[in-house]
Amino acid sequence: DTAVSQTPKYLVTQMGNDKSIKCEQNLGHDTMYWYKQDSKKFLKIMFSYNNKELIINETVPNRFSPKSPDKAHLNLHINSLELGDSAVYFCASSHNDRDPEAFFGQGTRLTVV
Amino acid sequence: AQSVTQLDSHVSVSEGTPVLLRCNYSSSYSPSLFWYVQHPNKGLQLLLKYTSAATLVKGINGFEAEFKKSETSFHLTKPSAHMSDAAEYFCVVSDPRDDKIIFGKGTRLHILP
Repeated sequence: DTAVSQTPKYLVTQMGNDKSIKCEQNLGHDTMYWYKQDSKKFLKIMFSYNNKELIINETVPNRFSPKSPDKAHLNLHINSLELGDSAVYFCASSHNDRDPEAFFGQGTRLTVV
Repeated sequence: AQSVTQLDSHVSVSEGTPVLLRCNYSSSYSPSLFWYVQHPNKGLQLLLKYTSAATLVKGINGFEAEFKKSETSFHLTKPSAHMSDAAEYFCVVSDPRDDKIIFGKGTRLHILP
């Protein structure tokens, strides 16, 4: 009955590979987010989708592409992985884009070697 | 094991009066502590952080928080609330020995005119 679930929890991959992180929420929320936790533990927003439409797109490399097949899913695809992509990525959702209360997944630790 | 508890899910204050959002944590090691704010239709914004330096931490928008180890608390305060402070606030604890971060469940701050 996990509200926001991310898979995988851990991902180790080589430079140059393409990988995806999946996120699903069963809360019936309209809005979903991807955050990156940087080396100083700060969370920075990457993308936000509302009803499958992109509403926030911060300055991230275009190797990162979010995909929302339906409003319960927001997957993050990363092409040509680089060492600097190693981080923890968090997915979150909120009721809608006017509701600030967000629910977070447990994070995906990506390690690029 | 780490944990963080935000003691109030909703707090209502009148404009111009002090704000107090409470956060207690448990950690077997000296943690890093953060407060984030989330406004509607926006991602998380870092308000302030504590990382074992000064126990009284000043953040943006007039917010500050005091780390009290004896009380295992990191309450967020502001002397005078403004209407624009209405948002959801998250207390976050991080163990510096690894990348795990734990979110509080959030406190919704309502500002009454």
